[in-house]
Amino acid sequence: QSVLTQPPSVSAAPGQNVTISCSATSSNIGNNYVSWYQQLPGTAPKLLIYDNNKRPSGIPDRFSGSKSGTSATLGITGLQTGDEADYYCGTWDSSLSAFWVFGGGTKLTVL
Amino acid sequence: QVQLQESGPGLVKPSETLSLTCTVSGGSISTYYWSWIRQPAGKGLEWIGRIYTSGSTNYNPSLKSRVTMSVDTTKNQFSLKLTSVTAADTAVYYCARLAKGTLLFRGMDVWGQGTTVTVSS
Repeated sequence: QSVLTQPPSVSAAPGQNVTISCSATSSNIGNNYVSWYQQLPGTAPKLLIYDNNKRPSGIPDRFSGSKSGTSATLGITGLQTGDEADYYCGTWDSSLSAFWVFGGGTKLTVL
Repeated sequence: QVQLQESGPGLVKPSETLSLTCTVSGGSISTYYWSWIRQPAGKGLEWIGRIYTSGSTNYNPSLKSRVTMSVDTTKNQFSLKLTSVTAADTAVYYCARLAKGTLLFRGMDVWGQGTTVTVSS
């Protein structure tokens, strides 16, 4: 069971907006940066958002990230069929056994 | 542009040791953190561990007793060993670069394409 909780699935029509949540205990998200990853079918994950809300070069501004307290959110505007993928949040867990954690993943379906 | 490539046996027998290597090209392995992540078919990502070029490591507590990571800066490679494997260790294994700011880890910004490892007799 993942330490970071994401909804298993979300769906929306092309052109619409969607958000994906990621929540956890304060020892991880609350004290550390959250990053988000997109995994298209059959491919390796790709970094979408880092430092809670920054986009790597080449990532469209349709993708955004935010963090408040012990929760983080990925937002996607103007959905495209090519956005259909699995999305994962991740952060460092600053507990006694320091380690990285991923959310369980959210399957985005573009209807 | 930094690229990562995993290599190693695609088939490992139960109770044996899984060994993988990640080769870093297009940049230096030094002064960065490097991670291994795995993903069983149809399931989510599981972080295995990370190593710094000094050799310092952190491992997933659930795998810690079976995992060893090492780094070879002369070859620009880092490696993973997972002992006493079972069918539950069957997965796609990815290597990735874990970016770190002044104090905090920022995210995994470069990923390998992944290599499938099957545990079976």
